[in-house]
Amino acid sequence: DSGVTQTPKHLITATGQRVTLRCSPRSGDLSVYWYQQSLDQGLQFLIQYYNGEERAKGNILERFSAQQFPDLHSELNLSSLELGDSALYFCASSSRTGLSPLHFGNGTRLTVT
Amino acid sequence: AQKVTQAQTEISVVEKEDVTLDCVYETRDTTYYLFWYKQPPSGELVFLIRRNSFDEQNEISGRYSWNFQKSTSSFNFTITASQVVDSAVYFCALTYNNNDMRFGAGTRLTVKP
Repeated sequence: DSGVTQTPKHLITATGQRVTLRCSPRSGDLSVYWYQQSLDQGLQFLIQYYNGEERAKGNILERFSAQQFPDLHSELNLSSLELGDSALYFCASSSRTGLSPLHFGNGTRLTVT
Repeated sequence: AQKVTQAQTEISVVEKEDVTLDCVYETRDTTYYLFWYKQPPSGELVFLIRRNSFDEQNEISGRYSWNFQKSTSSFNFTITASQVVDSAVYFCALTYNNNDMRFGAGTRLTVKP
Protein backbone atom coordinates (compact mmCIF):
# COMPACT_ATOMS: atom_id res chain seq x y z
CA ASP A 1 0.00 0.00 0.00
CA SER A 2 1.58 3.26 -1.18
CA GLY A 3 -0.41 5.42 1.20
CA VAL A 4 -1.85 7.48 -1.65
CA THR A 5 -5.64 7.26 -1.86
CA GLN A 6 -7.60 7.91 -5.01
CA THR A 7 -11.35 8.01 -5.39
CA PRO A 8 -13.38 6.87 -7.11
CA LYS A 9 -11.84 3.68 -8.40
CA HIS A 10 -14.01 3.59 -11.49
CA LEU A 11 -16.02 6.27 -13.23
CA ILE A 12 -18.29 5.88 -16.23
CA THR A 13 -19.75 8.97 -17.79
CA ALA A 14 -20.98 10.35 -21.09
CA THR A 15 -19.32 12.68 -23.54
CA GLY A 16 -19.68 16.34 -22.69
CA GLN A 17 -19.90 15.71 -18.97
CA ARG A 18 -17.61 16.89 -16.18
CA VAL A 19 -16.02 14.74 -13.49
CA THR A 20 -13.81 15.28 -10.48
CA LEU A 21 -11.12 12.87 -9.39
CA ARG A 22 -9.82 13.06 -5.86
CA CYS A 23 -6.44 12.25 -4.37
CA SER A 24 -5.14 12.17 -0.82
CA PRO A 25 -1.34 12.06 -0.70
CA ARG A 26 0.76 10.09 1.74
CA SER A 27 0.93 11.61 5.17
CA GLY A 28 3.58 14.31 5.17
CA ASP A 29 3.97 14.53 1.41
CA LEU A 30 3.65 18.05 0.07
CA SER A 31 3.84 17.33 -3.65
CA VAL A 32 1.02 15.86 -5.68
CA TYR A 33 1.30 14.81 -9.32
CA TRP A 34 -1.34 13.76 -11.80
CA TYR A 35 -0.63 11.33 -14.62
CA GLN A 36 -2.77 9.95 -17.40
CA GLN A 37 -2.23 6.43 -18.68
CA SER A 38 -3.84 5.59 -21.98
CA LEU A 39 -3.16 2.75 -24.38
CA ASP A 40 -1.83 4.94 -27.17
CA GLN A 41 0.01 7.61 -25.14
CA GLY A 42 1.42 5.60 -22.26
CA LEU A 43 2.02 7.41 -18.98
CA GLN A 44 1.81 11.15 -19.43
CA PHE A 45 2.54 13.78 -16.82
CA LEU A 46 -0.32 16.24 -16.46
CA ILE A 47 0.40 18.60 -13.59
CA GLN A 48 2.15 18.96 -10.25
CA TYR A 49 1.26 20.86 -7.09
CA TYR A 50 3.50 21.59 -4.18
CA ASN A 51 2.00 22.73 -0.91
CA GLY A 52 -1.02 24.21 -2.61
CA GLU A 53 0.71 25.90 -5.51
CA GLU A 54 1.00 24.75 -9.08
CA ARG A 55 4.61 23.80 -9.69
CA ALA A 56 4.75 22.27 -13.16
CA LYS A 57 2.51 21.56 -16.10
CA GLY A 58 2.83 18.79 -18.60
CA ASN A 59 0.51 17.66 -21.34
CA ILE A 60 -2.65 18.84 -19.66
CA LEU A 61 -5.54 19.90 -21.85
CA GLU A 62 -7.27 23.22 -21.27
CA ARG A 63 -10.45 21.28 -20.49
CA PHE A 64 -8.65 19.81 -17.49
CA SER A 65 -7.79 21.63 -14.30
CA ALA A 66 -6.53 20.72 -10.88
CA GLN A 67 -6.00 22.18 -7.47
CA GLN A 68 -4.45 21.29 -4.17
CA PHE A 69 -6.26 22.24 -1.01
CA PRO A 70 -4.85 23.41 2.34
CA ASP A 71 -5.15 19.88 3.72
CA LEU A 72 -2.97 18.82 0.74
CA HIS A 73 -5.54 16.67 -0.96
CA SER A 74 -5.91 17.35 -4.65
CA GLU A 75 -8.66 17.23 -7.22
CA LEU A 76 -8.43 16.83 -10.96
CA ASN A 77 -11.37 18.24 -12.87
CA LEU A 78 -12.08 16.98 -16.35
CA SER A 79 -14.75 18.79 -18.37
CA SER A 80 -16.38 18.54 -21.79
CA LEU A 81 -15.30 14.94 -21.79
CA GLU A 82 -14.49 13.20 -25.03
CA LEU A 83 -14.17 9.52 -25.84
CA GLY A 84 -10.41 9.95 -26.02
CA ASP A 85 -10.28 11.01 -22.39
CA SER A 86 -10.97 7.44 -21.35
CA ALA A 87 -7.88 6.38 -19.44
CA LEU A 88 -6.43 5.48 -16.09
CA TYR A 89 -5.64 8.59 -14.08
CA PHE A 90 -2.98 8.29 -11.44
CA CYS A 91 -2.16 10.55 -8.58
CA ALA A 92 1.27 10.37 -7.01
CA SER A 93 2.89 12.11 -4.11
CA SER A 94 6.41 12.73 -2.91
CA SER A 95 7.86 14.21 0.22
CA ARG A 96 9.56 17.14 -1.47
CA THR A 97 10.29 18.38 -4.94
CA GLY A 98 13.41 17.09 -6.54
CA LEU A 99 14.58 13.78 -5.40
CA SER A 100 12.06 11.65 -3.64
CA PRO A 101 10.45 8.76 -5.50
CA LEU A 102 6.88 9.21 -6.56
CA HIS A 103 4.44 6.97 -4.77
CA PHE A 104 1.37 6.27 -6.84
CA GLY A 105 -2.21 5.66 -5.90
CA ASN A 106 -4.22 2.83 -7.41
CA GLY A 107 -5.66 5.09 -10.08
CA THR A 108 -9.12 6.06 -11.25
CA ARG A 109 -10.31 4.34 -14.38
CA LEU A 110 -12.41 6.76 -16.40
CA THR A 111 -14.61 5.48 -19.17
CA VAL A 112 -16.33 8.01 -21.39
CA THR A 113 -19.17 6.60 -23.46
CA ALA B 1 14.99 16.64 -24.32
CA GLN B 2 14.53 13.68 -22.07
CA LYS B 3 13.48 10.35 -23.43
CA VAL B 4 13.24 6.78 -22.21
CA THR B 5 13.16 3.84 -24.56
CA GLN B 6 12.07 0.37 -23.59
CA ALA B 7 12.49 -1.50 -26.84
CA GLN B 8 11.03 -4.75 -25.54
CA THR B 9 7.26 -4.46 -25.74
CA GLU B 10 6.54 -7.95 -24.43
CA ILE B 11 8.65 -10.73 -22.96
CA SER B 12 7.49 -14.20 -22.08
CA VAL B 13 9.54 -16.59 -19.99
CA VAL B 14 9.02 -19.79 -18.10
CA GLU B 15 9.21 -19.78 -14.34
CA LYS B 16 12.74 -19.91 -12.92
CA GLU B 17 14.29 -18.39 -16.02
CA ASP B 18 16.32 -15.20 -15.65
CA VAL B 19 15.07 -12.21 -17.61
CA THR B 20 16.54 -8.78 -18.34
CA LEU B 21 14.42 -5.76 -19.15
CA ASP B 22 16.23 -3.10 -21.13
CA CYS B 23 16.02 0.64 -20.60
CA VAL B 24 17.90 3.24 -22.61
CA TYR B 25 17.59 6.91 -21.83
CA GLU B 26 18.50 10.26 -23.34
CA THR B 27 19.11 13.43 -21.39
CA ARG B 28 21.28 16.53 -21.54
CA ASP B 29 21.21 16.96 -17.78
CA THR B 30 24.29 15.97 -15.83
CA THR B 31 22.23 15.27 -12.74
CA TYR B 32 19.25 13.04 -13.19
CA TYR B 33 17.41 10.16 -11.60
CA LEU B 34 16.31 6.86 -13.02
CA PHE B 35 13.50 4.72 -11.69
CA TRP B 36 11.85 1.40 -12.23
CA TYR B 37 8.17 0.89 -11.49
CA LYS B 38 6.10 -2.28 -11.62
CA GLN B 39 2.44 -2.33 -12.67
CA PRO B 40 0.87 -5.69 -11.82
CA PRO B 41 -2.46 -6.76 -13.35
CA SER B 42 -4.27 -5.05 -10.49
CA GLY B 43 -3.17 -1.74 -11.99
CA GLU B 44 -1.28 0.10 -9.29
CA LEU B 45 2.21 1.46 -9.92
CA VAL B 46 4.76 0.15 -7.46
CA PHE B 47 8.09 1.90 -6.95
CA LEU B 48 11.03 -0.51 -7.21
CA ILE B 49 14.23 1.50 -7.31
CA ARG B 50 15.74 4.94 -7.79
CA ARG B 51 19.27 5.58 -9.00
CA ASN B 52 20.97 8.94 -9.35
CA SER B 53 23.36 9.78 -12.15
CA PHE B 54 26.37 9.92 -9.86
CA ASP B 55 26.00 6.43 -8.53
CA GLU B 56 26.88 3.76 -11.03
CA GLN B 57 27.04 0.95 -8.54
CA ASN B 58 24.91 -1.99 -9.44
CA GLU B 59 22.22 -2.83 -6.97
CA ILE B 60 20.78 -6.14 -5.91
CA SER B 61 17.62 -6.66 -3.93
CA GLY B 62 16.69 -10.29 -3.55
CA ARG B 63 15.98 -11.66 -7.01
CA TYR B 64 16.09 -8.18 -8.54
CA SER B 65 19.23 -6.48 -9.78
CA TRP B 66 19.88 -3.31 -11.69
CA ASN B 67 22.78 -2.44 -13.98
CA PHE B 68 23.33 1.27 -14.54
CA GLN B 69 25.86 2.20 -17.23
CA LYS B 70 26.27 5.86 -18.08
CA SER B 71 28.59 5.03 -20.98
CA THR B 72 25.72 3.36 -22.81
CA SER B 73 22.90 5.39 -21.17
CA SER B 74 21.28 2.23 -19.97
CA PHE B 75 19.59 1.15 -16.76
CA ASN B 76 18.69 -2.49 -17.19
CA PHE B 77 16.69 -4.59 -14.77
CA THR B 78 17.25 -8.29 -14.26
CA ILE B 79 14.95 -10.71 -12.47
CA THR B 80 16.67 -13.90 -11.44
CA ALA B 81 14.71 -17.14 -11.14
CA SER B 82 11.49 -15.48 -12.27
CA GLN B 83 8.19 -16.33 -10.64
CA VAL B 84 4.61 -16.11 -11.84
CA VAL B 85 4.04 -13.20 -9.44
CA ASP B 86 6.62 -11.21 -11.40
CA SER B 87 4.18 -10.99 -14.29
CA ALA B 88 3.50 -7.29 -14.76
CA VAL B 89 4.29 -4.29 -16.89
CA TYR B 90 7.59 -2.72 -15.91
CA PHE B 91 8.30 0.93 -16.53
CA CYS B 92 11.61 2.70 -16.59
CA ALA B 93 11.47 6.43 -15.87
CA LEU B 94 13.79 9.44 -15.94
CA THR B 95 13.64 12.82 -14.27
CA TYR B 96 15.99 15.57 -13.21
CA ASN B 97 13.68 17.20 -10.70
CA ASN B 98 10.52 15.09 -10.38
CA ASN B 99 8.50 17.83 -12.05
CA ASP B 100 8.28 15.98 -15.30
CA MET B 101 9.12 12.34 -14.96
CA ARG B 102 9.37 10.70 -18.37
CA PHE B 103 8.26 7.11 -18.55
CA GLY B 104 9.18 4.54 -21.12
CA ALA B 105 6.40 2.71 -22.92
CA GLY B 106 6.77 -0.25 -20.58
CA THR B 107 7.66 -3.91 -21.03
CA ARG B 108 4.97 -6.49 -20.38
CA LEU B 109 6.56 -9.51 -18.71
CA THR B 110 4.66 -12.77 -18.61
CA VAL B 111 6.07 -15.57 -16.50
CA LYS B 112 4.49 -18.91 -17.27
CA PRO B 113 4.40 -21.74 -14.75
